[in-house]
Amino acid sequence: NAGVTQTPKFRILKIGQSMTLQCAQDMNHNYMYWYRQDPGMGLKLIYYSVGAGITDKGEVPNGYNVSRSTTEDFPLRLELAAPSQTSVYFCASRGRASGANVLTFGAGSRLTVL
Amino acid sequence: TQLLEQSPQFLSIQEGENLTVYCNSSSVFSSLQWYRQEPGEGPVLLVTVVTGGEVKKLKRLTFQFGDARKDSSLHITAAQPGDTGLYLCAGVKWPQGGSEKLVFGKGTKLTVNP
Repeated sequence: NAGVTQTPKFRILKIGQSMTLQCAQDMNHNYMYWYRQDPGMGLKLIYYSVGAGITDKGEVPNGYNVSRSTTEDFPLRLELAAPSQTSVYFCASRGRASGANVLTFGAGSRLTVL
Repeated sequence: TQLLEQSPQFLSIQEGENLTVYCNSSSVFSSLQWYRQEPGEGPVLLVTVVTGGEVKKLKRLTFQFGDARKDSSLHITAAQPGDTGLYLCAGVKWPQGGSEKLVFGKGTKLTVNP
């Protein structure tokens, strides 16, 4: 199983450009998440989805949008990129293991906005 | 406000030494998870502790959940270079009327030198 696949791995954007980070999972998980990770700041939740067609805001949603048209895919869109959005972005899906909910993360997408 | 405080933030030790990483909060969690993240990769779940006072062992790693379910520790015996990485704790909460919420600490960056 591939687990959670993120593309692209790296991207450089100019201020004001837009782009979409792709995330796909093959574990048939309903819950999916987008986090951003900044140095020394841990993981901050941007958006999450509890199933196809349902999304909700996390802690830091401003400047981002998401959609969930299928169980497998959960793309994150950046509109009008700003330097503050320079970060590493992680997608995750939630499954069950040993009686607890656990997250499976993708390998991350490193975004630089210049 | 950081709900979960991890200490130390950085730790550099020699191979063979023992170490303890702490995860503290004033909040009660229903469970607590520890993840390890290697450079260029997403976090990978190490363990979930659920019961206050619970101790779990994973080879040379020992995890403990505080009696009041507000804090946790990770102890590594005879550290090896392969233990190098960012260790993240994550507390699980169930907000009233909401879905399960995972709160991450900022992480402890461990370097084990040969």
